[in-house]
Amino acid sequence: GAGVSQTPSNKVTEKGKYVELRCDPISGHTALYWYRQSLGQGPEFLIYFQGTGAADDSGLPNDRFFAVRPEGSVSTLKIQRTERGDSAVYLCASSSGTGSGSPLHFGNGTRLTVT
Amino acid sequence: DQQVKQNSPSLSVQEGRISILNCDYTNSMFDYFLWYKKYPAEGPTFLISISSIKDKNEDGRFTVFLNKSAKHLSLHIVPSQPGDSAVYFCAASASGNQFYFGTGTSLTVIP
Repeated sequence: GAGVSQTPSNKVTEKGKYVELRCDPISGHTALYWYRQSLGQGPEFLIYFQGTGAADDSGLPNDRFFAVRPEGSVSTLKIQRTERGDSAVYLCASSSGTGSGSPLHFGNGTRLTVT
Repeated sequence: DQQVKQNSPSLSVQEGRISILNCDYTNSMFDYFLWYKKYPAEGPTFLISISSIKDKNEDGRFTVFLNKSAKHLSLHIVPSQPGDSAVYFCAASASGNQFYFGTGTSLTVIP
């Protein structure tokens, strides 16, 4: 079975543009997480889904960030009016459920560069 | 406010010796703790975890120790191998909600 797949692996965009980052979780995993990692920092929580619904979106920095998971599998993280400060590696992870005993399995991330 | 802290940004160990990576946390509601290993240009890879009902979990060369009263956990790798050189993150969650990560410790195992 394949692991978590994220596309694109790299994205360069101009300030003010709109970007979409895609995550394909491990088949059968009900929980899906988005994290952001800046240089020298640990992964920073953005949002997580249980099935199709966002169970916790408290980590989204502002209303320019939005994520969907319409069929409970693939998820898309959408960033409007990108700013240079949005440059980071965006990591997606999935797990077989929430609760203790369900580790996160990460993809290789999308490196977003806003010029 | 950083709820999970790794105060050592880097650690160097001779091959064959023990590596000890440390992690402290502030939230007493955390009940599940994990260690991840990360190579450059890859996502973090799950290594080992421990529930708050235990104080030790072992998997091959990797052992995680949890001291709840001190809000401290550690990862022991023995014997250390050059392939263990990577950045190690500890993480914690409360009832399986969002996971909080430390800032990482870069381990170098010297052949």
